[in-house]
Amino acid sequence: KNQVEQSPQSLIILEGKNCTLQCNYTVSPFSNLRWYKQDTGRGPVSLTIMTFSENTKSNGRYTATLDADTKQSSLHITASQLSDSASYICVVSAIMNSNSGYALNFGKGTSLLVTP
Amino acid sequence: DAGVIQSPRHEVTEMGQEVTLRCKPISGHNSLFWYRQTMMRGLELLIYFNNNVPIDDSGMPEDRFSAKMPNASFSTLKIQPSEPRDSAVYFCASSFGGGGTEAFFGQGTRLTVV
Repeated sequence: KNQVEQSPQSLIILEGKNCTLQCNYTVSPFSNLRWYKQDTGRGPVSLTIMTFSENTKSNGRYTATLDADTKQSSLHITASQLSDSASYICVVSAIMNSNSGYALNFGKGTSLLVTP
Repeated sequence: DAGVIQSPRHEVTEMGQEVTLRCKPISGHNSLFWYRQTMMRGLELLIYFNNNVPIDDSGMPEDRFSAKMPNASFSTLKIQPSEPRDSAVYFCASSFGGGGTEAFFGQGTRLTVV
C-alpha cells in the first residue's frame, strides 16, 4: 500500500533558528516528490519538486533532499521567519498506467509555528 | 491570471440538503483536481479530470458525491444529500500535464453541514 508518513506532526521553533521536516514514503513506482506549504486558510503552494535522479533542490531558504534508496525526503528551513509558520505537506506521485497517469499520495503534514 | 477560483468560500447547510461547489481552473490548464481536507485525514484526492474527462474518481467517498466538468473552464462538485461528516475544506486545483506536474490550488470552500 502506498503511504506517506511525515514527522514531526507539529513543531515550534524560535525565529532565526533552523529546522528539518521529514517525509518517509512507500510509494511505487515513484515519479516525483513535492513539498507544499499551506498557510492557514489558503490552498497549498508548491515549494520544490524532485524526481528520482535529484537528491537536493533549493528554493530560497528552503532546501529539500531526497534519498530514493531509503525512500526518505527532508525539508530544511534555514533562518526561520515568522512567515514560515504554516503546514508543510509532502506529496509523492506514483506512475500509473497510461490511461490514469499519476496517483498522488499525501502526507498529513507538519504544522510549524515560528515564534518571536 | 487570477489563479484557480472557487466559490463559495464558505458554505453552511443543513443535513440532507444539496451542496454544489464550483471551480474555475487557470486558463490553459488541462488537468483539474478536487481535494478534501480535514484535520483527521489531511488532504485527500477525490477526483481528477484530464481534458474535461474524469480519469480517476477512486477517491470519491460514495454515491452522494458527483463531479462534472462540462468545459475546460468550469467544474462542479456536488454532494446530495449532505451529511455532517462531509464538513471539510474542499480544494480545487489545476495543472498543465496531469498529476505529475505542479498543481495550483484555489483558496478552498469551507463546508459545514449541521
